[in-house]
Amino acid sequence: AQTVTQSQPEMSVQEAETVTLSCTYDTSESDYYLFWYKQPPSRQMILVIRQEAYKQQNATENRFSVNFQKAAKSFSLKISDSQLGDAAMYFCAHTYGQNFVFGPGTRLSVLP
Amino acid sequence: SAVISQKPSRDICQRGTSLTIQCQVDSQVTMMFWYRQQPGQSLTLIATANQGSEATYESGFVIDKFPISRPNLTFSTLTVSNMSPEDSSIYLCSVEGTAPYEQYFGPGTRLTVT
Repeated sequence: AQTVTQSQPEMSVQEAETVTLSCTYDTSESDYYLFWYKQPPSRQMILVIRQEAYKQQNATENRFSVNFQKAAKSFSLKISDSQLGDAAMYFCAHTYGQNFVFGPGTRLSVLP
Repeated sequence: SAVISQKPSRDICQRGTSLTIQCQVDSQVTMMFWYRQQPGQSLTLIATANQGSEATYESGFVIDKFPISRPNLTFSTLTVSNMSPEDSSIYLCSVEGTAPYEQYFGPGTRLTVT
């Protein structure tokens, strides 16, 4: 079965601090992509970062970086220098064929 | 990146009626996807709609309940038929991007069935 687990339903972080959101997955595919999407209250799903499974180097996008452990099937997201605008639901996902499998999400609150 | 619009943005409908949701993208795309996001839940893929062919439905979703049209490369509709309160969800369309497995999402349609 293709599954994505996000063990933290809710997280909070102080503004300007660093927070890490966890994600583990299970897939039978040998080649796949991993994603973190952000969904603010506006409902718009926004791609935060993507990782190709065959690349060992961890992806980074400005304040966002991932810790990809392929053997452990772990894909955590680190947000540095957290900003109020980072408050949102964060979904981890992986590809399965042409489709995406999403995790249940982590609600991140940023405290001023 | 693609710009995607959905209509309506929200609606409140009565049990037993049907609602058609439109998804418009500002560029031609081969693959479009429809997702359902039930309250407080994650996204679940309903179907994949390629232009010129029948939509491919995921397990648990059937064409009679969620008929999809894909008349051209920039437009698709999803109909939620014979609605019940369990259909209350956000429905999102997405389109493939230019990079492998890249997807862009529309703003979603919030449906409430009373």
